Amino acid sequence: DAGVTQSPTHLIKTRGQHVTLRCSPISGHKSVSWYQQVLGQGPQFIFQYYEKEERGRGNFPDRFSARQFPNYSSELNVNALLLGDSALYLCASSLVGRQETQYFGPGTRLLVL
Amino acid sequence: DQQVKQNSPSLSVQEGRISILNCDYTNSMFDYFLWYKKYPAEGPTFLISISSIKDKNEDGRFTVFLNKSAKHLSLHIVPSQPGDSAVYFCAAEFGNEKLTFGTGTRLTIIP
Repeated sequence: DAGVTQSPTHLIKTRGQHVTLRCSPISGHKSVSWYQQVLGQGPQFIFQYYEKEERGRGNFPDRFSARQFPNYSSELNVNALLLGDSALYLCASSLVGRQETQYFGPGTRLLVL
Repeated sequence: DQQVKQNSPSLSVQEGRISILNCDYTNSMFDYFLWYKKYPAEGPTFLISISSIKDKNEDGRFTVFLNKSAKHLSLHIVPSQPGDSAVYFCAAEFGNEKLTFGTGTRLTIIP
């Protein structure tokens, strides 16, 4: 069975550009969450989506946005990139409900120059 | 405000011995706890979880203990194997399925 997939695996952008990251959840999983992991830190929650609706948002600026599609895949968009946006962006999927384990994809490593 | 803390950035253990990784939390609303293992250039891999209604959960070589009064949980790996060398993250959740992670502990198993 395929796990969570993310694309692209690596990305280099310059300041001020925008980026779109993509995620496909595990088959049957309807909830998708996005996390940012900077070097030396644990992942930080950005968004959670279920049934195409935002169900949770972390402490990130409005430059960050996301959406979920009818097939439960998701995109994370970041506008006006800053050097500090350089990080590993992780997508996780889970069944819907409390105390359902989140399974992570391999991540997209974004470098902003 | 770090609500989930892993105070040991690194830990070295001899192969075959027990590895004990610790995690403390401050938010008493957390009711579900997970441990993830992460290799470089990969996403976190789920290891084991525990609900706040339990104090122990075991899965093969991995056991998680939860002490709610101390707001402390630990992961025991017995016996430790070279393939266990990785960064281990503790995570906690309540209500809205948002995970709050600790900063990780790098475990090195010495052959």
